Amino acid sequence: SAVISQKPSRDICQRGTSLTIQCQVDSQVTMMFWYRQQPGQSLTLIATANQGSEATYESGFVIDKFPISRPNLTFSTLTVSNMSPEDSSIYLCSVEVGRTDTQYFGPGTRLTVL
Amino acid sequence: KQEVTQIPAALSVPEGENLVLNCSFTDSAIYNLQWFRQDPGKGLTSLLLIQSSQREQTSGRLNASLDKSSGRSTLYIAASQPGDSATYLCAVLTGTASKLTFGTGTRLQVTL
Repeated sequence: SAVISQKPSRDICQRGTSLTIQCQVDSQVTMMFWYRQQPGQSLTLIATANQGSEATYESGFVIDKFPISRPNLTFSTLTVSNMSPEDSSIYLCSVEVGRTDTQYFGPGTRLTVL
Repeated sequence: KQEVTQIPAALSVPEGENLVLNCSFTDSAIYNLQWFRQDPGKGLTSLLLIQSSQREQTSGRLNASLDKSSGRSTLYIAASQPGDSATYLCAVLTGTASKLTFGTGTRLQVTL
């Protein structure tokens, strides 16, 4: 398994600003993922963060809006840029451990944009 | 495109009842299926993972089955307790990039 922490746990931000969310894992992992959970909805994959290369974004998500960094095998950041109220969501990171195909999730960051 | 649906969307049962949550998916070419639990405002906790070659997995009072050919999975919870109250999500892993597609979730409330 893996222990995953996220910072901040929650934030309230003003429209037009940006927020960077950090994800830290207690072991080295190859694949890290960022998900968004809009109010009352299920989880949607934003992108896959690969160490040493650019993130791979899903349809509907672009790098200019959600830039991602992956400087090493235990850490990643997701920035939500030029925020609008529609960005109010829970943002979760997850990791795949070993070759089990099991994904473990962080506690999430609850973002509210006013 | 893979789509995952969960029925019912919400369920309320008295303590002690056995219950079944349903999950269906449109593309049967999956690697595995995973059931998660999400408490309000919290992240996800992995409950059970069933590989595509398996038919079921058990952990304590939980039993998950998988019928890959028909695109269905069920999560059986025995002797439900108030602490089981949460949203239950199923997710399927497809493709070569470890992409999880999540269902819409079932919100469970177990009452005293």
